[in-house]
Amino acid sequence: QVQVVESGGGVVQPGRSLRLSCAASGFTFDDHGMHWVRQAPGKGLEWVAVIWYDGRNEFYGDSVKGRFTISRDNSKNIVFLQINNLTAEDTAVYYCARGSGYGGNAESLDYWGQGTQVTVSS
Amino acid sequence: DIQMTQSPSSVSASVGDRVTITCRASQDIYSWLAWFQQKPGKAPKLLIYAASSLQSGVPSRFSGSESGTDFTLTISSLQPEDFATYYCQQANSFPWTFGQGTKVEIK
Repeated sequence: QVQVVESGGGVVQPGRSLRLSCAASGFTFDDHGMHWVRQAPGKGLEWVAVIWYDGRNEFYGDSVKGRFTISRDNSKNIVFLQINNLTAEDTAVYYCARGSGYGGNAESLDYWGQGTQVTVSS
Repeated sequence: DIQMTQSPSSVSASVGDRVTITCRASQDIYSWLAWFQQKPGKAPKLLIYAASSLQSGVPSRFSGSESGTDFTLTISSLQPEDFATYYCQQANSFPWTFGQGTKVEIK
């Protein structure tokens, strides 16, 4: 069965960096784009980033562009989210989700992990 | 960026009621709209994609429709397990964007 499992969250001081990981199994990983979505406490969902099946294209949400970097290792079925210069506004649960296709538009987020909590606090 | 305006923000309903949630896109998204259900402390779950296609395993009481840039999620007969928050999301162009959410509460 399809599984995505996030890890790497925690409590981090403002200005520091963090790398989140998402391990995938149960499907042909390099056939699918992978996404990150976050949810601040008590708030709605915010799409963060996508990386194409082959890692050659990435897109980001406006609020994270320039500070977040998505990458993937198709040999290990893992996708990463590097977050730099963390601020309190980055406090959220970060979800990894599988795209239904290669990573472009006109697809859906069909399987989600349970999320990893990131708390930015001094 | 495409803005998604979802309404209402909350609705109170009883088991067996028909519930309708609406989402309006700020521009044409060519049917590339999805609906998600989220329960407290859990990950979102895909219900509907491409405006009206039911995701595998989702009960048939959930349905989606569209009219231009207006999209609707309908729960035909609300069940106890349907009390949750629902989000729409456009997948026509990056950055993808979500509606603000609709909380379906017990009346």
